[in-house]
Amino acid sequence: DSGVTQTPKHLITATGQRVTLRCSPRSGDLSVYWYQQSLDQGLQFLIQYYNGEERAKGNILERFSAQQFPDLHSELNLSSLELGDSALYFCASSAGLVEGMDTQYFGPGTRLTVL
Amino acid sequence: AQSVTQLGSHVSVSEGALVLLRCNYSSSVPPYLFWYVQYPNQGLQLLLKYTTGATLVKGINGFEAEFKKSETSFHLTKPSAHMSDAAEYFCAVRLYGNKLVFGAGTILRVKS
Repeated sequence: DSGVTQTPKHLITATGQRVTLRCSPRSGDLSVYWYQQSLDQGLQFLIQYYNGEERAKGNILERFSAQQFPDLHSELNLSSLELGDSALYFCASSAGLVEGMDTQYFGPGTRLTVL
Repeated sequence: AQSVTQLGSHVSVSEGALVLLRCNYSSSVPPYLFWYVQYPNQGLQLLLKYTTGATLVKGINGFEAEFKKSETSFHLTKPSAHMSDAAEYFCAVRLYGNKLVFGAGTILRVKS
């Protein structure tokens, strides 16, 4: 158990809908990262937040957005869903104390299925 | 641009045999390198990481990896495979900031 929690574990929805994925980092971790894992794209970095502020962006679609709240939990919002958005979405957290040096701990993931 | 190539999407070994999973990277800066393992229906677990210092890195579950700058490689090894090692293994390199770029993954099968 990494200490990173993600809810829900599974999500099934229809095209065009909007969903919110939630992540609680390990106690004391300031950085949160979102990754998408799909069969065709593999594991891809989406976005990073550090202490409430966006720190880095990867291959995140404009239909997707994220935020980190004062209690450090994070939410990933996916809207206008398409079939191709079906994937496993991981959240990771790190202490964020020394950039590049700290370890990312991954949550169990949320499996999103878009029908 | 930094990237990671894992040679072999599937590797099959017999129980007790040597495990060798290959990873090559490209990086314009000194790399920080990682190996993660993903068991079925679970998240990623860090096996080991290389940042600076000793090039032979020991991780959990008896795995180790050696950073070879001249070969731009960071291969993962374990002397004796166990059935419980069957999983998917990902090599990753850190980009600026702290985001990771992952390889495509290697599925390890352990035969009894």
